Amino acid sequence: EIVLTQSPGTLSLSPGERATLSCRASQSVSGSYLAWYQQKPGQAPRLLIYGASSRATGIPDRFSGSGSGTDFTLTISRLEPEDFAVYYCQQYGRSPPITFGQGTRLEIK
Amino acid sequence: QVQLVQSGAEVKKPGSSVTVSCKASGGSFSSYAFSWVRQAPGQGLEWLGGIIPIFATIRYAQKFQGRVTIAADESTSTAYMELSGLRSDDTAVYYCARGWYYYDDRGHNPQHSDYWGQGTLVTVSS
Repeated sequence: EIVLTQSPGTLSLSPGERATLSCRASQSVSGSYLAWYQQKPGQAPRLLIYGASSRATGIPDRFSGSGSGTDFTLTISRLEPEDFAVYYCQQYGRSPPITFGQGTRLEIK
Repeated sequence: QVQLVQSGAEVKKPGSSVTVSCKASGGSFSSYAFSWVRQAPGQGLEWLGGIIPIFATIRYAQKFQGRVTIAADESTSTAYMELSGLRSDDTAVYYCARGWYYYDDRGHNPQHSDYWGQGTLVTVSS
């Protein structure tokens, strides 16, 4: 099973700043089969990025994904107030099982 | 537009079983993968398994093998997840999610999900 470790656990930033979230896999993620989700309290997760770097439909271009192998990054170029949430990475390259990281909480500084 | 509507909240006794349904509307049902993901209170996301109806392929997370059963009824565009042998640590919100699949040497496998149901709270308590 591939274990995903996200860092930092909590990131405190201000609107307008740049956010960089990391996701490290215990083994190489084949096919760059890695996705990022955003989740707000009381809501289901929302797909942001798939295939490591492809934006999902309707996702603003301030969200970008990069990386391959074992190291992946989600970047939010300029934070908007609605971006403060919990972010999860997910790998599906060697499933089952599909696995998720433990999440990064992005909070307003 | 695509909608996934899940069945309502459940309260169950330890040792019993629960079945959660997920009715899809908008778009083809059989051509996608449906995954089941749970989230314990204040915790992260955990994948239980998934089904690809068009290939009758079902994948389970090893952790839940033997306790979870996933099925789909194409005639009603509904996916189901049954979890048996319930314990208190199975208390969680259970989500169904529609997504894509890929093919490799192991066959067809679920991948990322772009539509999610509203979640079903399952509480296990004596």
